[in-house]
Amino acid sequence: DIVMTQSPDSLAVSLGERATINCKSSQSVLYSSNNKNYVAWYQQKAGQPPKLLICWASTRESGVPDRFSGSGSGTDFTLTISSLQAEDVAVYYCQQYYSTPITFGQGTRLEIK
Amino acid sequence: QLQLQESGPGLVKPSETLSLTCTVSGGSIRSNSYYWGWIRQPPGKGLEWIGSIYYSGSTYSNPSLKSRVTISVDTAKNQFFLKLSSVTAADTAVYYCAGGTIFGVVTPNGWFDPWGQGTLVTVSS
Repeated sequence: DIVMTQSPDSLAVSLGERATINCKSSQSVLYSSNNKNYVAWYQQKAGQPPKLLICWASTRESGVPDRFSGSGSGTDFTLTISSLQAEDVAVYYCQQYYSTPITFGQGTRLEIK
Repeated sequence: QLQLQESGPGLVKPSETLSLTCTVSGGSIRSNSYYWGWIRQPPGKGLEWIGSIYYSGSTYSNPSLKSRVTISVDTAKNQFFLKLSSVTAADTAVYYCAGGTIFGVVTPNGWFDPWGQGTLVTVSS
Protein backbone atom coordinates (compact mmCIF):
# COMPACT_ATOMS: atom_id res chain seq x y z
CA ASP A 1 0.00 0.00 0.00
CA ILE A 2 1.11 3.56 -0.64
CA VAL A 3 1.22 5.47 2.64
CA MET A 4 0.40 9.17 2.47
CA THR A 5 1.87 11.19 5.35
CA GLN A 6 0.77 14.77 5.89
CA SER A 7 2.52 17.46 7.87
CA PRO A 8 1.79 19.18 10.08
CA ASP A 9 -1.15 17.49 11.80
CA SER A 10 -2.53 20.91 12.68
CA LEU A 11 -1.78 24.45 11.66
CA ALA A 12 -2.86 27.88 12.87
CA VAL A 13 -2.45 30.78 10.46
CA SER A 14 -3.50 34.42 10.66
CA LEU A 15 -6.16 35.73 8.30
CA GLY A 16 -4.58 36.89 5.06
CA GLU A 17 -1.42 34.88 5.62
CA ARG A 18 -0.15 31.88 3.68
CA ALA A 19 -0.92 28.34 4.77
CA THR A 20 1.16 25.40 3.56
CA ILE A 21 0.31 21.74 3.99
CA ASN A 22 2.66 18.98 2.96
CA CYS A 23 1.97 15.43 1.82
CA LYS A 24 4.60 12.75 1.28
CA SER A 25 3.91 9.42 -0.42
CA SER A 26 5.82 6.26 0.49
CA GLN A 27 6.56 5.66 -3.19
CA SER A 28 6.41 7.74 -6.33
CA VAL A 29 2.92 8.47 -7.65
CA LEU A 30 4.26 9.95 -10.89
CA TYR A 31 3.11 7.84 -13.84
CA SER A 32 5.91 7.97 -16.37
CA SER A 33 3.79 7.28 -19.45
CA ASN A 34 1.76 10.49 -19.06
CA ASN A 35 4.01 12.46 -16.67
CA LYS A 36 1.10 13.00 -14.29
CA ASN A 37 1.13 12.83 -10.51
CA TYR A 38 -1.81 10.85 -9.20
CA VAL A 39 -2.60 13.04 -6.18
CA ALA A 40 -5.78 14.85 -5.17
CA TRP A 41 -6.50 17.29 -2.36
CA TYR A 42 -9.77 17.66 -0.45
CA GLN A 43 -11.22 20.13 2.03
CA GLN A 44 -13.57 18.85 4.72
CA LYS A 45 -15.51 21.30 6.85
CA ALA A 46 -17.19 20.22 10.07
CA GLY A 47 -20.20 17.98 9.48
CA GLN A 48 -19.73 17.91 5.70
CA PRO A 49 -18.32 15.43 3.21
CA PRO A 50 -14.93 16.10 1.67
CA LYS A 51 -14.85 18.53 -1.22
CA LEU A 52 -12.45 18.02 -4.10
CA LEU A 53 -10.06 20.94 -4.50
CA ILE A 54 -7.26 19.70 -6.74
CA CYS A 55 -6.51 16.69 -8.92
CA TRP A 56 -3.36 15.69 -10.78
CA ALA A 57 -1.44 17.33 -7.91
CA SER A 58 -1.91 20.84 -9.33
CA THR A 59 -5.14 21.08 -11.37
CA ARG A 60 -7.68 23.18 -9.54
CA GLU A 61 -11.28 21.94 -9.68
CA SER A 62 -13.79 24.26 -11.32
CA GLY A 63 -15.14 26.82 -8.85
CA VAL A 64 -12.27 26.47 -6.38
CA PRO A 65 -10.83 29.90 -5.49
CA ASP A 66 -7.45 30.60 -7.03
CA ARG A 67 -5.90 31.17 -3.61
CA PHE A 68 -5.72 27.36 -3.46
CA SER A 69 -2.84 25.81 -5.37
CA GLY A 70 -1.16 22.43 -5.48
CA SER A 71 2.41 21.60 -6.37
CA GLY A 72 4.97 18.84 -6.19
CA SER A 73 6.01 15.72 -8.02
CA GLY A 74 7.11 12.17 -7.36
CA THR A 75 6.71 11.72 -3.62
CA ASP A 76 6.43 15.25 -2.22
CA PHE A 77 3.38 17.44 -2.61
CA THR A 78 2.12 20.72 -1.19
CA LEU A 79 -1.23 22.43 -0.88
CA THR A 80 -0.90 26.19 -0.48
CA ILE A 81 -3.56 28.70 0.48
CA SER A 82 -2.06 32.03 -0.50
CA SER A 83 -4.21 34.29 1.69
CA LEU A 84 -6.19 32.53 4.38
CA GLN A 85 -9.87 33.38 4.66
CA ALA A 86 -12.15 32.55 7.57
CA GLU A 87 -14.10 30.08 5.42
CA ASP A 88 -10.94 28.03 4.83
CA VAL A 89 -11.06 26.60 8.36
CA ALA A 90 -11.29 22.86 7.71
CA VAL A 91 -9.39 19.60 7.66
CA TYR A 92 -7.43 18.99 4.46
CA TYR A 93 -6.60 15.56 3.04
CA CYS A 94 -4.35 14.36 0.27
CA GLN A 95 -5.18 11.18 -1.63
CA GLN A 96 -3.22 9.00 -4.01
CA TYR A 97 -4.97 7.25 -6.86
CA TYR A 98 -1.85 5.77 -8.45
CA SER A 99 -2.66 2.29 -7.23
CA THR A 100 -5.20 0.37 -5.22
CA PRO A 101 -5.84 0.40 -2.39
CA ILE A 102 -6.56 4.08 -2.79
CA THR A 103 -5.18 5.82 0.29
CA PHE A 104 -5.54 9.15 2.04
CA GLY A 105 -3.28 11.17 4.29
CA GLN A 106 -4.25 11.41 7.95
CA GLY A 107 -5.49 14.97 7.52
CA THR A 108 -4.25 18.43 8.54
CA ARG A 109 -6.47 20.64 10.67
CA LEU A 110 -6.26 24.29 9.67
CA GLU A 111 -7.35 26.98 12.11
CA ILE A 112 -7.22 30.73 12.42
CA LYS A 113 -4.50 32.14 14.67
CA GLN B 1 -25.97 17.63 -11.55
CA LEU B 2 -24.96 14.25 -10.20
CA GLN B 3 -26.01 13.62 -6.61
CA LEU B 4 -25.48 10.65 -4.32
CA GLN B 5 -27.41 9.71 -1.19
CA GLU B 6 -26.60 7.00 1.33
CA SER B 7 -29.32 5.13 3.21
CA GLY B 8 -29.47 2.28 5.68
CA PRO B 9 -29.68 1.41 9.38
CA GLY B 10 -27.85 3.72 11.75
CA LEU B 11 -27.32 1.00 14.35
CA VAL B 12 -25.94 -2.48 13.78
CA LYS B 13 -25.20 -5.14 16.40
CA PRO B 14 -21.72 -6.63 16.73
CA SER B 15 -21.11 -9.70 14.54
CA GLU B 16 -23.98 -8.75 12.23
CA THR B 17 -23.84 -7.39 8.69
CA LEU B 18 -23.88 -3.69 7.87
CA SER B 19 -25.90 -2.95 4.73
CA LEU B 20 -26.00 0.40 2.96
CA THR B 21 -27.49 1.70 -0.27
CA CYS B 22 -26.27 4.59 -2.39
CA THR B 23 -28.81 6.12 -4.75
CA VAL B 24 -27.47 8.05 -7.71
CA SER B 25 -29.60 10.87 -9.14
CA GLY B 26 -29.07 13.48 -11.82
CA GLY B 27 -27.27 10.97 -14.02
CA SER B 28 -26.97 7.31 -14.91
CA ILE B 29 -25.05 4.79 -12.86
CA ARG B 30 -24.20 3.24 -16.24
CA SER B 31 -21.93 6.19 -16.93
CA ASN B 32 -18.51 5.25 -18.27
CA SER B 33 -17.08 8.21 -16.38
CA TYR B 34 -17.34 6.79 -12.89
CA TYR B 35 -16.30 3.95 -10.68
CA TRP B 36 -18.70 4.11 -7.72
CA GLY B 37 -16.97 4.09 -4.38
CA TRP B 38 -17.49 3.60 -0.66
CA ILE B 39 -15.30 5.50 1.82
CA ARG B 40 -15.64 5.58 5.59
CA GLN B 41 -14.52 7.90 8.36
CA PRO B 42 -14.51 6.84 12.04
CA PRO B 43 -15.56 9.65 14.36
CA GLY B 44 -12.78 12.23 14.63
CA LYS B 45 -10.49 10.25 12.32
CA GLY B 46 -9.38 10.14 8.70
CA LEU B 47 -10.74 8.66 5.48
CA GLU B 48 -10.50 4.99 4.49
CA TRP B 49 -11.35 3.68 1.05
CA ILE B 50 -13.51 0.55 1.32
CA GLY B 51 -13.94 -0.35 -2.33
CA SER B 52 -15.39 0.61 -5.70
CA ILE B 53 -17.63 -0.88 -8.36
CA TYR B 54 -18.18 -0.22 -12.07
CA TYR B 55 -21.69 -0.49 -13.46
CA SER B 56 -20.68 -3.72 -15.19
CA GLY B 57 -20.16 -5.25 -11.76
CA SER B 58 -16.37 -5.16 -11.71
CA THR B 59 -15.21 -4.49 -8.16
CA TYR B 60 -12.08 -3.58 -6.26
CA SER B 61 -11.88 -3.70 -2.45
CA ASN B 62 -9.39 -2.67 0.18
CA PRO B 63 -7.41 -5.77 1.16
CA SER B 64 -7.70 -4.69 4.80
CA LEU B 65 -11.46 -5.33 4.58
CA LYS B 66 -11.74 -7.51 1.52
CA SER B 67 -12.89 -10.72 3.17
CA ARG B 68 -15.80 -8.90 4.82
CA VAL B 69 -16.83 -6.56 2.00
CA THR B 70 -19.38 -7.12 -0.74
CA ILE B 71 -20.16 -4.32 -3.18
CA SER B 72 -22.90 -4.73 -5.78
CA VAL B 73 -24.89 -2.63 -8.22
CA ASP B 74 -28.46 -2.47 -9.52
CA THR B 75 -28.42 -0.47 -12.74
CA ALA B 76 -32.21 -0.59 -13.08
CA LYS B 77 -32.59 1.24 -9.78
CA ASN B 78 -29.53 3.48 -10.23
CA GLN B 79 -28.17 2.19 -6.93
CA PHE B 80 -25.11 0.48 -5.59
CA PHE B 81 -24.69 -1.29 -2.30
CA LEU B 82 -22.27 -2.08 0.49
CA LYS B 83 -22.36 -5.06 2.78
CA LEU B 84 -19.79 -5.40 5.56
CA SER B 85 -20.01 -8.60 7.55
CA SER B 86 -18.97 -9.51 11.09
CA VAL B 87 -18.89 -5.91 12.25
CA THR B 88 -17.27 -4.75 15.48
CA ALA B 89 -17.13 -1.42 17.26
CA ALA B 90 -14.14 -0.56 15.07
CA ASP B 91 -16.51 -0.37 12.10
CA THR B 92 -18.40 2.53 13.65
CA ALA B 93 -18.00 5.37 11.17
CA VAL B 94 -19.62 7.79 8.79
CA TYR B 95 -19.97 5.91 5.52
CA TYR B 96 -19.81 7.91 2.31
CA CYS B 97 -20.58 6.91 -1.23
CA ALA B 98 -18.86 8.85 -3.99
CA GLY B 99 -18.23 8.95 -7.69
CA GLY B 100 -14.69 7.93 -8.57
CA THR B 101 -13.58 9.65 -11.74
CA ILE B 102 -12.40 7.42 -14.58
CA PHE B 103 -9.92 8.76 -17.08
CA GLY B 104 -8.67 6.62 -19.91
CA VAL B 105 -8.52 3.02 -18.82
CA VAL B 106 -11.50 1.80 -16.78
CA THR B 107 -10.01 1.38 -13.33
CA PRO B 108 -10.97 2.69 -9.88
CA ASN B 109 -7.80 4.77 -9.81
CA GLY B 110 -9.27 8.24 -9.64
CA TRP B 111 -10.31 11.04 -7.38
CA PHE B 112 -13.73 11.19 -5.74
CA ASP B 113 -16.29 13.77 -6.77
CA PRO B 114 -19.19 14.07 -6.02
CA TRP B 115 -19.75 12.68 -2.51
CA GLY B 116 -22.92 11.84 -0.67
CA GLN B 117 -23.61 13.55 2.64
CA GLY B 118 -22.62 10.44 4.55
CA THR B 119 -24.47 8.27 7.03
CA LEU B 120 -23.32 7.44 10.55
CA VAL B 121 -23.38 3.74 11.35
CA THR B 122 -22.84 2.77 14.97
CA VAL B 123 -21.97 -0.78 15.94
CA SER B 124 -23.32 -1.49 19.39
CA SER B 125 -25.43 -4.04 21.20
